[in-house]
Amino acid sequence: AQSVAQPEDQVNVAEGNPLTVKCTYSVSGNPYLFWYVQYPNRGLQFLLKYITGDNLVKGSYGFEAEFNKSQTSFHLKKPSALVSDSALYFCAVRVNFNKFYFGSGTKLNVKP
Amino acid sequence: SAVISQKPSRDICQRGTSLTIQCQVDSQVTMMFWYRQQPGQSLTLIATANQGSEATYESGFVIDKFPISRPNLTFSTLTVSNMSPEDSSIYLCSVSTGGYNEQFFGPGTRLTVL
Repeated sequence: AQSVAQPEDQVNVAEGNPLTVKCTYSVSGNPYLFWYVQYPNRGLQFLLKYITGDNLVKGSYGFEAEFNKSQTSFHLKKPSALVSDSALYFCAVRVNFNKFYFGSGTKLNVKP
Repeated sequence: SAVISQKPSRDICQRGTSLTIQCQVDSQVTMMFWYRQQPGQSLTLIATANQGSEATYESGFVIDKFPISRPNLTFSTLTVSNMSPEDSSIYLCSVSTGGYNEQFFGPGTRLTVL
């Protein structure tokens, strides 16, 4: 069965510090991995994706993510967090060009 | 990227009634999806809306309760039928052009059933 896990319900960081939001996946076949962000009372916004190639992918708002095949992980990172990064973050995997599987979400709190 | 609009943005409905949610995309897309989300929680896929044929429903969701239409490549509707308070949720429309491409999401419809 295809699945995505986000082991942390919540991540707290201080503004200016680096942040990491974790994601692991379990799929049969090649994984196409995505990160989305959701601000309060808004729809989801696409941040970045990994399809193939370089394991470090860069996306919107200074975010990047590292694909690790041996650990089946796709962690989201940012070198210096902003208070405005506070939101709900979802990892997702797409299998066989078909539907997406979403993780449970991680709430990021960035304190001033 | 695709721009997606949903109507209504929110509604408060009475038990036993039905509500139809509209999703409009500014370009033709291959795939359209309908999700349900409790505030602050993950997304649950209801169905994939197929153009010109019946929608493909996920386990736990049935056509009688959530009829879906997709008359063309830019528009879809989801109806929540015979509503109960358990149907109170945010309903999200999303689209994708298939392949390796990401999904784009509408702003959502916040439904409250009394």
